[in-house]
This record gives sequence, structure tokens and C-alpha cells, in this order.
Amino acid sequence: DGGITQSPKYLFRKEGQNVTLSCEQNLNHDAMYWYRQDPGQGLRLIYYSQIVNDFQKGDIAEGYSVSREKKESFPLTVTSAQKNPTAFYLCASSSPAGTQHFGDGTRLSIL
Amino acid sequence: AQSVTQPDIHITVSEGASLELRCNYSYGATPYLFWYVQSPGQGLQLLLKYFSGDTLVQGIKGFEAEFKRSQSSFNLRKPSVHWSDAAEYFCAVGAGSNYKLTFGKGTLLTVNP
Repeated sequence: DGGITQSPKYLFRKEGQNVTLSCEQNLNHDAMYWYRQDPGQGLRLIYYSQIVNDFQKGDIAEGYSVSREKKESFPLTVTSAQKNPTAFYLCASSSPAGTQHFGDGTRLSIL
Repeated sequence: AQSVTQPDIHITVSEGASLELRCNYSYGATPYLFWYVQSPGQGLQLLLKYFSGDTLVQGIKGFEAEFKRSQSSFNLRKPSVHWSDAAEYFCAVGAGSNYKLTFGKGTLLTVNP
């Protein structure tokens, strides 16, 4: 079945450490997105990519980085510059028709 | 820039009762509108969407929503709620060629037996 796979489901970060969250899709979608979810805050856009080798900052990009070397993959790195990384991270992809499909998320916590 | 307001943070209804979740949006042109549902610790599942045409949209799980341009609203309704409908519901608006979505802060639905 087609879908979006996020891994790992749970991730722990130590002080000063960078961590990378994986997002893979087999829906043949051109566009991919990363969101951060905090309780009571809804979803906030971190980065998005409309095509391979191109991506744009969203509303809260500081402390995060991404790459888009393959159509199927859009990994997110949470850098040590992100001082409050504890959150639920959601990856999504969409076709040009605009409906976004979501993965099951990664919960990042600080050790 | 577009924005979405979901005025109700938390709603409690009895099983079998009707439900209406409110959503108001701000956008200068005709938006794309979505309702998603999220169970705890899970991703978001699309309930329904409005792009154009008929302003009453039918979705999955017996949900429907009505687009009212004059009120800038896209309220979600269900005539009879089931215990399995307990979840958090998000309204979203999309616009432009990059298909970015702006989400509301969500409404948590509790269903009493």
C-alpha cells in the first residue's frame, strides 16, 4: 500500500546533539512537508519542498535543516541550535491537487 | 497571509448526539479547505475537503461540512456521534500554487457514553 513512513517513532536527543528524523513516501508525490506539533498549538510548518533539490523555509525553520536528494525522501535534522526541540513531528506529502497525506509522526524528547 | 480559527478548544458531547465543530478562516480569495482528525499519538487523517463546486461536502465516517463564503466558515457536522469519534479535529486552509496549509489549533472532542 502507498503511504508515508516516518522513523523512528520515538527519539531522544542529548544536549548539543543533532538528530535526524526520516520521512519516506511511495505515493509519487512531488511536494513534501515537515510540521511541528505542540499541545494546543496545532501544526506549524518547518520546511517544505515542491521538487527534488529544492526546499523553502516555513514559519519556524530556525534550528532545523532538511535535504531533498530523492523524490521519495525528505529527512529533517534537528540541530543543537534548536533550544526547545521536544515535540511531535509530522511529515506529509501532496500531489499538485493539494491534499496532504500524513505519516504517523516521530516524538522527540530531550534526555 | 491566511489564518484559521477554531473557537472551541474542547467539546464534550454524549454518544448519539449531534455535533458541530466550528472553523473560521481568513483569506482574500477562494481557499482550499480541509478537515483532518487525529487520534492520540497518530498522524492526521483527512475527513473531507472543499476545493470548489457544491458548498456542502460529504466526507468519511459520516461527517459533512458546509462552506459559507459570506461567513468565512467551514463548520464540520455529524448527526449522531459515536464513541470512536473521540479525537482531535483540525481545520486547515490552503492557498496558492505551493499548496501550503495553515492549520487551526484544533478542537478536542470527548464523547460521553
